[in-house]
Amino acid sequence: QKEVEQDPGPLSVPEGAIVSLNCTYSNSAFQYFMWYRQYSRKGPELLMYTYSSGNKEDGRFTAQVDKSSKYISLFIRDSQPSDSATYLCAMNVGNEKLTFGTGTRLTIIP
Amino acid sequence: DTAVSQTPKYLVTQMGNDKSIKCEQNLGHDTMYWYKQDSKKFLKIMFSYNNKELIINETVPNRFSPKSPDKAHLNLHINSLELGDSAVYFCASSQSLRTQYFGPGTRLLVL
Repeated sequence: QKEVEQDPGPLSVPEGAIVSLNCTYSNSAFQYFMWYRQYSRKGPELLMYTYSSGNKEDGRFTAQVDKSSKYISLFIRDSQPSDSATYLCAMNVGNEKLTFGTGTRLTIIP
Repeated sequence: DTAVSQTPKYLVTQMGNDKSIKCEQNLGHDTMYWYKQDSKKFLKIMFSYNNKELIINETVPNRFSPKSPDKAHLNLHINSLELGDSAVYFCASSQSLRTQYFGPGTRLLVL
């Protein structure tokens, strides 16, 4: 079993819909949680970063962490075709080693 | 200006060959990384260097040898390439534990 599980999708939603992306993890020592976005044939870029449990909002993006359930989410409001990409969750215990989920491929249909 | 750059972008080679991938960052970061992304998009850390010193060395075959001549450069040399080495290799750099900046990737295909 992988340390971080993520539904690979693909996930297709109509433009304007709310998108929910999720990851579960098994290592209770994880403290820092990130979401990366990766466009086709590009490197991943950091979207959101959260520490411990709670919510964080940045424009149309909201990241949620529930450490008691070992579950993290990324919500995208008013989704746009430009949001079509692979979304990777990542986490670490407070050192340099990031553990990634497998990524969810998202397509926003105009 | 590109923050993290890698060369080459594409690499097609025969089994058994030796190849190198170069990475440079102009962000002034102290820590650099090599990741491997397989065909299913799973991204896994291979190595990390902090100020030219190896700090992370995951379970990677000895055929893979990173070299950091200075803190702005981290190169990856691969000996005796195998079919299973085909993947996209990403270099990344960071100054804090939170934000890692990734390069554009090097697509390696071993025939």
